[in-house]
Amino acid sequence: AQSVTQPDIHITVSEGASLELRCNYSYGATPYLFWYVQSPGQGLQLLLKYFSGDTLVQGIKGFEAEFKRSQSSFNLRKPSVHWSDAAEYFCAVGSGYSSASKIIFGSGTRLSIRP
Amino acid sequence: GAGVSQTPSNKVTEKGKYVELRCDPISGHTALYWYRQSLGQGPEFLIYFQGTGAADDSGLPNDRFFAVRPEGSVSTLKIQRTERGDSAVYLCASSMYTGTGYSGNTEAFFGQGTRLTVV
Repeated sequence: AQSVTQPDIHITVSEGASLELRCNYSYGATPYLFWYVQSPGQGLQLLLKYFSGDTLVQGIKGFEAEFKRSQSSFNLRKPSVHWSDAAEYFCAVGSGYSSASKIIFGSGTRLSIRP
Repeated sequence: GAGVSQTPSNKVTEKGKYVELRCDPISGHTALYWYRQSLGQGPEFLIYFQGTGAADDSGLPNDRFFAVRPEGSVSTLKIQRTERGDSAVYLCASSMYTGTGYSGNTEAFFGQGTRLTVV
């Protein structure tokens, strides 16, 4: 069965520091991978997605993620975080061949920013 | 509308009661999803619709949960005989169906959710 693991429950980084959030997936075929962000009182917002092609994916708000098939990973990175990046981040995998198939989410990583 | 709209935003109900949660997707989006998010967890898939039909309802936890989308637009999630364990935020999302395979315009847009509290 498809699954997503986010091993870090909570991460704190200093403003201006670099960030890497880890994500590992389990999926039998070519995965369709996503990162979403959820701020307090806000809905889930898509940061970026990987479907095929270039394994380094650029997203909104300066985020990027790299798909590594050999490691079954899709880690999210940002070179310099801002206080407004404090939120909950979810990695997710699309579980079917249809563009409208269900998405399986990880349990999330809460990001705190140290001033 | 401009985004996915969910009503009510908050719902408090007594154990054993029946509740309905409404989702109004983005106009023209043919795919609609329901998720449930418990405190400290990621969203858990419940059901998704393609048009009027439930294409995958494998996430519905039991037969107390049911969802409909009679005209292929608005959807209602119905929960019978609510239990305290049903307390969660219920999220709805919609996306454009472009046929087989993913493409660049298949982003799922989420609503703000309905916070259901069963007391």
